[in-house]
Amino acid sequence: GAGVSQSPSNKVTEKGKDVELRCDPISGHTALYWYRQSLGQGLEFLIYFQGNSAPDKSGLPSDRFSAERTGGSVSTLTIQRTQQEDSAVYLCASSPGPDYEQYFGPGTRLTVT
Amino acid sequence: GEDVEQSLFLSVREGDSSVINCTYTDSSSTYLYWYKQEPGAGLQLLTYIFSNMDMKQDQRLTVLLNKKDKHLSLRIADTQTGDSAIYFCAEFSPSGGSYIPTFGRGTSLIVHP
Repeated sequence: GAGVSQSPSNKVTEKGKDVELRCDPISGHTALYWYRQSLGQGLEFLIYFQGNSAPDKSGLPSDRFSAERTGGSVSTLTIQRTQQEDSAVYLCASSPGPDYEQYFGPGTRLTVT
Repeated sequence: GEDVEQSLFLSVREGDSSVINCTYTDSSSTYLYWYKQEPGAGLQLLTYIFSNMDMKQDQRLTVLLNKKDKHLSLRIADTQTGDSAIYFCAEFSPSGGSYIPTFGRGTSLIVHP
């Protein structure tokens, strides 16, 4: 079946602009995660959605970052007033529930010039 | 906070065995995962082990867990050039109330002829 998909695969933007990154989880998966992977770094947790519960936003690095998940399915990560340090690969993952392993999408490579 | 440590690089000759090591700090870890990331791709779950197990074998992969020392290893037998990738160790403790896995920084495995 279809895996986790993300769009766009690559995004180049100018410093100060806003960007939206999209994640389509595996159908039926109730949990959805966003991570950031910077060059040479591990995965930095950003935000976690589980069903209709309030999201865990504890990993968002600043108030320029926000995310929403509509209808318990598609999620959008928004970065406002992008900075060069926001350049990274943004990975989305979903899982059937909070106790299960995660399935990752291919990521969106964001470059802020 | 919880921490997962891995060495950053490992170089092996094709046909040899590779051993990738990982240490973690959370004594309540329930699951320990190994993910593989090929260039330009997301993370793919390779295998996992429950904390009440010492060893798990899956074809060319052997996972060893020393719970006392909080040490996890992944052995790849007969390493092939297609095994070249970044390998991430992750610990997950949903029973402790945290539904966010902690990932290591990843070990780059380089397989040369």
